[in-house]
Amino acid sequence: DIQMTQSPSSLSASVGDRVTITCRASQGINNYLAWFQQKPGKAPKSLIYAASNLQSGVPSKFSGSGSGTDFTLTISSLQPEDFATYYCQQYNSYPLTFGGGTKVEIK
Amino acid sequence: ELQLVESGGGVARPGGSLRLSCAASGFSFDYYGMSWVRQAPGKGLEWVSVINWDGNITDYADSVKGRFTISRDNAKNSLYLQMNSLRAEDMALYYCARHNWGSEDLDFWGQGTLVTVSS
Repeated sequence: DIQMTQSPSSLSASVGDRVTITCRASQGINNYLAWFQQKPGKAPKSLIYAASNLQSGVPSKFSGSGSGTDFTLTISSLQPEDFATYYCQQYNSYPLTFGGGTKVEIK
Repeated sequence: ELQLVESGGGVARPGGSLRLSCAASGFSFDYYGMSWVRQAPGKGLEWVSVINWDGNITDYADSVKGRFTISRDNAKNSLYLQMNSLRAEDMALYYCARHNWGSEDLDFWGQGTLVTVSS
C-alpha cells in the first residue's frame, strides 16, 4: 500500500497569511494526488485533483503543486472560512490512501 | 443539483450486520464509479470499497475484505454497502463518494451515515 504522510499535522495562522501544507507519498504516484478540505461536521470537499488542477468552483487562492512523491497545497491568503482540516489522497493505485490530515487553526 | 444521500446507519452489535444505501441524483449515476469512505470519530479518512460504473469490478480495503460487499442498482440510482460481522473498529461515519469521470478522483461526497457498533 502507498503511505501518504502529511505535514504539519496542525498549524496556527492568521487571516491573510500564506499557508503551505506538504504531502509525501511512499512511492511515485504519477501526480494522481487530490486535496480535500473538511470542516467540522461536514463532508470532505474536493479542492484539487491531479496534483494541481482546481476543481470547478474552488477559489484560485488554493493551489497545488509537486510531482513524483512530494506535493504541496498552498492557500495564498488565509480567510476565516479556510480554517478547516485538509487531507491529501493518492488515487494512483488501490487501496486509495489518505494523509493523516492537517488542521489549520486561527492564531 | 448534485446529491448523494446516505442512509441505513444505526446501532449494531458486534458480529451483526447493516446495509448502507446511497441515493444519487443530479447526474448520470450509471456513468460513474463510486466508493465508500469512512471516518472514525475524531480520526482521519479511510477508503473502504470501490465499484465501477456497471458493477462488474469491485475492490475492498483489507480491513473489510470478506465482510463487506459493495453493489449498485443503476436503475434505482443507488449504491449499497452490505456490512457483515461488524467489529468495534468499524464504527464510523460512512460517506459515499463519486469518482470523477475520466480522472477518477473523488470529486463529490455525500454527508455520511453513522454506524455505531456496540454491545
